Amino acid sequence: TQLLEQSPQFLSIQEGENLTVYCNSSSVFSSLQWYRQEPGEGPVLLVTVVTGGEVKKLKRLTFQFGDARKDSSLHITAAQPGDTGLYLCAGAEYKLSFGAGTTVTVRA
Amino acid sequence: EAQVTQNPRYLITVTGKKLTVTCSQNMNHEYMSWYRQDPGLGLRQIYYSMNVEVTDKGDVPEGYKVSRKEKRNFPLILESPSPNQTSLYFCASSFLRTSGMYEQYFGPGTRLTVT
Repeated sequence: TQLLEQSPQFLSIQEGENLTVYCNSSSVFSSLQWYRQEPGEGPVLLVTVVTGGEVKKLKRLTFQFGDARKDSSLHITAAQPGDTGLYLCAGAEYKLSFGAGTTVTVRA
Repeated sequence: EAQVTQNPRYLITVTGKKLTVTCSQNMNHEYMSWYRQDPGLGLRQIYYSMNVEVTDKGDVPEGYKVSRKEKRNFPLILESPSPNQTSLYFCASSFLRTSGMYEQYFGPGTRLTVT
């Protein structure tokens, strides 16, 4: 049983469109991290959110941590082919627990 | 360049033949861990180490061993590999911020196939 549920599992969109990926849990986390993994490589940390309700922006990526610190979302504005990859959320308590990931494909 | 290295990157072996996957980091991180990644299951932690000579089981430790004799190295050992250990393996290292978060730096992965 996944502690963190990510949805959707797969997402394919056209370049220029927006997308949102969700990460949900029944558990409260002290912080939540988002990683992006490209084929043949290890995950790379994008952001860490700590405070309930926190919003962080990284260029065209917007990350939000739910008020109750049980869920998070990642929104990409005007997606580009370079955004293609597997997006993983990870909840942090005494260790990291990863979701199964959302595979995002941005078509040119 | 700060990095986590793993070797080999690809390995095909047979059931029962002992193997070791090496992991090394040059960031002086105290915390290191091993994960396996399987389709639909995400990353699952196998073992982790808080420091030299301190190791503990993660979520899926059966069939694996680790050691941490030096801070920079954290090898993963499969004494008698079985086909259900066919997977993509990642080593990661972390520093621990004062707020308690682990920000993990991952190696490039080792794809293991056990026939």
